[in-house]
Amino acid sequence: DTGVSQDPRHKITKRGQNVTFRCDPISEHNRLYWYRQTLGQGPEFLTYFQNEAQLEKSRLLSDRFSAERPKGSFSTLEIQRTEQGDSAMYLCASSSKVGLAGSFEQFFGPGTRLTVL
Amino acid sequence: GENVEQHPSTLSVQEGDSAVIKCTYSDSASNYFPWYKQELGKRPQLIIDIRSNVGEKKDQRIAVTLNKTAKHFSLHITETQPEDSAVYFCAALGSGTYKYIFGTGTRLKVLA
Repeated sequence: DTGVSQDPRHKITKRGQNVTFRCDPISEHNRLYWYRQTLGQGPEFLTYFQNEAQLEKSRLLSDRFSAERPKGSFSTLEIQRTEQGDSAMYLCASSSKVGLAGSFEQFFGPGTRLTVL
Repeated sequence: GENVEQHPSTLSVQEGDSAVIKCTYSDSASNYFPWYKQELGKRPQLIIDIRSNVGEKKDQRIAVTLNKTAKHFSLHITETQPEDSAVYFCAALGSGTYKYIFGTGTRLKVLA
């Protein structure tokens, strides 16, 4: 499968625990995005990377959230001291290098559904 | 801050009729506008997109129009079929950034 993959697909945790999600983008893509999606809403931007550099992070993002992309390939999203309000689908997406004729298209992974009890 | 408004939130049409979904964006420097279809339990999939230097784009039964002056763009689906039933999201990409802002989605139901 050459698409974006995410692991795990489902995570159930107790309030206060830490969780970490992984995203593997399409191999030649240099941009990687994390979104959060709750029922009935559109994907909410969390952060994005260009190669290993984290270029933008949502101002709404609590300092309990951190993301890394150490080698410019896969990325991890960690949530510390989870709260019930963190329950959502966490989507990862990647996109290719953009040139004058490049594509802006994002390809989404299947998501990780987090349930905080 | 950046914002994308999407209307309507739900839309029911009879099979064979047309469906139109509208989005308005706030950042006048936005230059790329994709539309995604998301079926229940699945990932969003790009169905059509348009860049700011184009006013309209068509792909079979799907078309997107862009009015830069009014800062709005619309998705048009003609000859709707039951398999078009899904949630549709619009998005806007700002100039000088690669951050996408999504609309809140439209749940389209095509009645057979």
